[in-house]
Amino acid sequence: EVQLVESGGGLGQPGGSLRLSCAASGFIFEDYAMHWVRQVPGKGLEWVSGIGHNSRSVGYVDSVKGRFTISRDNAKNSLYLQMNNLRTEDTALYYCAGDTRSWPESPAYWGQGTLVTVSS
Amino acid sequence: DIQMTQSPSSLSASVGDRVTITCRASQGIRNELGWYQQKPGKAPKRLIYAASNLQSGVPSRFSGSGSGTEFTLTISSLQPEDFATYYCLQHNTYPFTFGPGTKVDIK
Repeated sequence: EVQLVESGGGLGQPGGSLRLSCAASGFIFEDYAMHWVRQVPGKGLEWVSGIGHNSRSVGYVDSVKGRFTISRDNAKNSLYLQMNNLRTEDTALYYCAGDTRSWPESPAYWGQGTLVTVSS
Repeated sequence: DIQMTQSPSSLSASVGDRVTITCRASQGIRNELGWYQQKPGKAPKRLIYAASNLQSGVPSRFSGSGSGTEFTLTISSLQPEDFATYYCLQHNTYPFTFGPGTKVDIK
């Protein structure tokens, strides 16, 4: 069974940093692309970032470019999102999501999310 | 960036109704689109990939069609468990973009 478990959320200060992690199990992690998607409670979904199986294909939504960095460690079956220079508008539930292709497409598997709150 | 629109933004329907949701892209995206269902407090669930392929385990009353800029998700006979919000996602070009969602509730 595919499992994706996010961690690292919490309260961050404006201008501060947080690092989200996603532990994957139940599939061959190194073969598949991964994504981060966020959702402000009560609002719609926003794709944040995606990474190919070998980290060569990486993309970001414009609002986080230059501030967030997606990465993966295939040896540890883990996905990360380094979030720097946090803004209040980054407050959301962040989902880790897994693809069924080696390059980013539409993710099929989702974690339960980790909540990030940016506030002073 | 590619903009995705959905219509309607919400609809009320009865069990057994046929429901169609439309998603439009601001430029051609071939068939690089997925459809998702989300219920309150739950993670999204992929229903359709590559515009028209049914995700394994998803009931056959769900179907997707379209290519280029216009896509549809059809529920042939709405069931009680289908009341939810539905989103499309284009993955043709970074940044990937979701539609704003269509909320389906009970009439």
